[in-house]
Amino acid sequence: SQKIEQNSEALNIQEGKTATLTCNYTNYSPAYLQWYRQDPGRGPVFLLLIRENEKEKRKERLKVTFDTTLKQSLFHITASQPADSATYLCALDIDDYKLSFGAGTTVTVRA
Amino acid sequence: GAGVSQSPSNKVTEKGKDVELRCDPISGHTALYWYRQSLGQGLEFLIYFQGNSAPDKSGLPSDRFSAERTGGSVSTLTIQRTQQEDSAVYLCASSPAPTSGGTNEQFFGPGTRLTVL
Repeated sequence: SQKIEQNSEALNIQEGKTATLTCNYTNYSPAYLQWYRQDPGRGPVFLLLIRENEKEKRKERLKVTFDTTLKQSLFHITASQPADSATYLCALDIDDYKLSFGAGTTVTVRA
Repeated sequence: GAGVSQSPSNKVTEKGKDVELRCDPISGHTALYWYRQSLGQGLEFLIYFQGNSAPDKSGLPSDRFSAERTGGSVSTLTIQRTQQEDSAVYLCASSPAPTSGGTNEQFFGPGTRLTVL
């Protein structure tokens, strides 16, 4: 069956350090992968999309990689700030219209 | 409005009662989705609308759950005879018409927190 796993439910890091989140999947062949941010009491907000033929994508302090051989995406937050504290969700397309979401990793950045 | 809105933001009901949850998508977005999120869990897909049609209802947990969309805009998710296991946050999302090779970025509302006592 199809499965998406995100590393450890929680990640605690010191301000200024780089947070690295992992999204692994099995039994999928996604054309792209998305990352969303979710704050408590709010809906997810789209951050980045990376296509299967792209190795890396950057947006400000965010970097995403996509390895279709390993079936893995890495999401990096560089020079982390307390305002980056949130839950980050990866999502894979399983159809032209449908996304399948991971359970998320909660990041806490300590000042 | 500028974003997806949902109402009510919180709903507390007694077991066995029916509830209706409302979603107002972004104007012009033809695709609309309902998800359920339980504490510490990922988003569970419930149903997908394209316009007023629901070509994918595969995520609805039981026949107590139904949804409709009118005028290609507002959608209502109805849960009949609520059970305690229905307690969760119900999220609605909208997106422009999905296209092959497109990005299908989804825009989410703030959710409705449903508590069944």
